[in-house]
Amino acid sequence: DAGITQSPRHKVTETGTPVTLRCHQTENHRYMYWYRQDPGHGLRLIHYSYGVKDTDKGEVSDGYSVSRSKTEDFLLTLESATSSQTSVYFCAISTHSNTGELFFGEGSRLTVL
Amino acid sequence: KQEVTQIPAALSVPEGENLVLNCSFTDSAIYNLQWFRQDPGKGLTSLLLIQSSQREQTSGRLNASLDKSSGRSTLYIAASQPGDSATYLCAVRGNNNDMRFGAGTRLTVKP
Repeated sequence: DAGITQSPRHKVTETGTPVTLRCHQTENHRYMYWYRQDPGHGLRLIHYSYGVKDTDKGEVSDGYSVSRSKTEDFLLTLESATSSQTSVYFCAISTHSNTGELFFGEGSRLTVL
Repeated sequence: KQEVTQIPAALSVPEGENLVLNCSFTDSAIYNLQWFRQDPGKGLTSLLLIQSSQREQTSGRLNASLDKSSGRSTLYIAASQPGDSATYLCAVRGNNNDMRFGAGTRLTVKP
């Protein structure tokens, strides 16, 4: 158990509404990631963080923003949700950027109507 | 751009059989390769991590090998059990903190 908690686990929202997903870790790891998983596309990196207030874009960052004000929390925000953002979102942590093992949370299923 | 391919996409075997799952990648400049299992509706569970300097890693009935030069990794599962049924994914970590995932192999072990 890597001590990763995602909330909410399930959410249904309407197009145009803001949505924030939260990832909380108890392990004090420096690196945190947000992925989305879609049929036919596999897992794709949205944003990642390498420390408090240090974040960077991933492969599919358009339409998403992140914040990390504390080591233990990494927030993913959809400013104005669209149907194409319906997906399962996974948070992950790593002990090291290049050689560390990656551990995943249980996922947050988001449906945008 | 790193491309990761897993073949076959699905595999069904009888209980007790030994099996091999394949993962190939196009760019050999990697830091490590990690194998995961994912049960339906769940997150990814880490199985094995192989650093680029290593050739293999073992955990219980699982053995993962890495051949960087040929861009291949295999996950060997010995004496398969119905509880091994899941989707197995491999992921390759390259430069710039970029981790690329394969689409996975869906394994079914029949009692």
